[in-house]
Amino acid sequence: QTVVTQEPSLTVSPGGTVTLTCASSTGAVTSGYYPNWFQQKPGQAPRALIYSTSNKHSWTPARFSGSLLGGKAALTLSGVQPEDEAEYYCLLYYTGTQGVFGGGTKLTVL
Amino acid sequence: QITLKESGPTLVKPTQTLTLTCTFSGFSLSTSGVGVGWIRQPPGKALEWLALVYWDGDKRYSPSLKSRLTITKDTSKNQVVLTMTNMDPVDTATYYCAHVNWDLRIFFNYWGQGTLVTVSS
Repeated sequence: QTVVTQEPSLTVSPGGTVTLTCASSTGAVTSGYYPNWFQQKPGQAPRALIYSTSNKHSWTPARFSGSLLGGKAALTLSGVQPEDEAEYYCLLYYTGTQGVFGGGTKLTVL
Repeated sequence: QITLKESGPTLVKPTQTLTLTCTFSGFSLSTSGVGVGWIRQPPGKALEWLALVYWDGDKRYSPSLKSRLTITKDTSKNQVVLTMTNMDPVDTATYYCAHVNWDLRIFFNYWGQGTLVTVSS
């Protein structure tokens, strides 16, 4: 069974920078896994932030960016705002089979 | 404007079959590259991919749940239906449907509000 792993929790100060990562149990994450990233706040449906590794949706704030880093997918928040406190999920697509969500990273802005 | 909305029972008994309907607007499932997927989230837990149907009828299922899931589309009604058999209390979750743009490899850019399904006798 394929497992996608994220940091369970991270803390960042307002105005700071933080990087969340997304690893696959099958090996290095490449662009062929089309990493997607989502933000979810309590009581709300997830909101899409990044698709295909590094592409932003029209509504994605400029401070969010996606990349590949050390064999993992990464989501970097630069100039973190208090409203960025949320749960973040990555999604990797395994070609020909299905997608798998990571376990989520709870980001605290403190 | 793309919108999706889930509907179905809020309470099902163990061993029963769950049927959920996703009714959408703002796009057509007959358009090349379009898909609709189902995702669930148990209370306080992570998102879980369940199933996805594409414009061409191709279907993908979570391997761990494949034997219990069926996804179908009704293009004329703008609906996607998910059935899950043999429900168990561990299947208690909020179930979401969401839009897919396969051409751009965009998964779930638009989501429904979700519907909470409780499995209990």
